Amino acid sequence: DTAVSQTPKYLVTQMGNDKSIKCEQNLGHDTMYWYKQDSKKFLKIMFSYNNKELIINETVPNRFSPKSPDKAHLNLHINSLELGDSAVYFCASSRTGAGSAETQYFGPGTRLLVL
Amino acid sequence: GIQVEQSPPDLILQEGANSTLRCNFSDSVNNLQWFHQNPWGQLINLFYIPSGTKQNGRLSATTVATERYSLLYISSSQTTDSGVYFCAADNNAGNMLTFGGGTRLMVKP
Repeated sequence: DTAVSQTPKYLVTQMGNDKSIKCEQNLGHDTMYWYKQDSKKFLKIMFSYNNKELIINETVPNRFSPKSPDKAHLNLHINSLELGDSAVYFCASSRTGAGSAETQYFGPGTRLLVL
Repeated sequence: GIQVEQSPPDLILQEGANSTLRCNFSDSVNNLQWFHQNPWGQLINLFYIPSGTKQNGRLSATTVATERYSLLYISSSQTTDSGVYFCAADNNAGNMLTFGGGTRLMVKP
């Protein structure tokens, strides 16, 4: 009964390609997030999204875009992949979002390697 | 935005020892969480603790919000406690957590 799941677990691709990472949560949460963990283990928020509001970290390139087909899913699309995009991407969810602090639960991560 | 700093950056313990990890933050918080990232990379929730004290088995945490720090206590450490411990906080910025740099813990048998 995985609470937050991500696919694929590993993704190896060539520079310049477009790729997507999928995230699903079965917790009934309203808000989902994407975080990036670089090679030095530093974790950084990329997006916060619920059906009312998308909040984007200003440092995220516009090649990255979240897409949510429904409340339980938040996919991450990356266009024109660059070497520096290689990282581990974590999806997370919480019961509520902006304006109301709640525990965030994280998925297992997707390890992206751009060659 | 909020700044989150953790200390020490690295810690080596003998099995059975106790330890205290510290997290300092630069602003008032409405969300503070402690995570353990195990050697397989999985991020595991330990505590949601914007204030007060909580205990879960050998682990406990205390956040003194007025003084802008949180402490994670590990007692009777085990080799399975090895990994990276992260503190993360939000100060009303859309519940978007800012992570500290982590404390890398190695527990030796």
